[in-house]
Amino acid sequence: QKEVEQNSGPLSVPEGAIASLNCTYSDRGSQSFFWYRQYSGKSPELIMFIYSNGDKEDGRFTAQLNKASQYVSLLIRDSQPSDSATYLCAVMQGGSYIPTFGRGTSLIVHP
Amino acid sequence: GAVVSQHPSWVICKSGTSVKIECRSLDFQATTMFWYRQFPKQSLMLMATSNEGSKATYEQGVEKDKFLINHASLTLSTLTVTSAHPEDSSFYICSGEGREFYEQYFGPGTRLTVT
Repeated sequence: QKEVEQNSGPLSVPEGAIASLNCTYSDRGSQSFFWYRQYSGKSPELIMFIYSNGDKEDGRFTAQLNKASQYVSLLIRDSQPSDSATYLCAVMQGGSYIPTFGRGTSLIVHP
Repeated sequence: GAVVSQHPSWVICKSGTSVKIECRSLDFQATTMFWYRQFPKQSLMLMATSNEGSKATYEQGVEKDKFLINHASLTLSTLTVTSAHPEDSSFYICSGEGREFYEQYFGPGTRLTVT
């Protein structure tokens, strides 16, 4: 059974700090990795996806992938209170178009 | 990005009744739509994959006779929860598949409460 694990949190960081969110997955055949942000009572929105080992940067967000260790992380630089949300990690097998979601990590950025 | 709407955004119904949730792609044609269910503090669980003009593919453990899915056009998919029970109370989210493998456009979700 494919599993995607995330620490539920909450992760609390001060405004301006770097928030680090982690995710591990069990299926070595996984090829694509996604980070979604979900505000309370709302549906998820895609922040980033990554499929190659290493780092991928987009503005304040950096996704890091290590397939050998089967983990993917999301760094949020200069965290803002508006970043407070639940961050869902999702993993997709090669040849599949359906991701498996983790439970999400709640992030709280306090002023 | 593309826009997906859902209606209603929230609904309260009595146990034993049926509820229909609509999912529409407003500015693109979604050959494939997905239906998810999310319980509080839980992950999104895929319920079924819906393809226009054909029967939906249900995930293991999802009762196809209880959760009826119809995808009659390229812009509309419906989920009907039949004989709803309190344990069906959840957040139901649909998404439309985009052109790229990473594109899933989520609707805003429907909060169902069964009393």
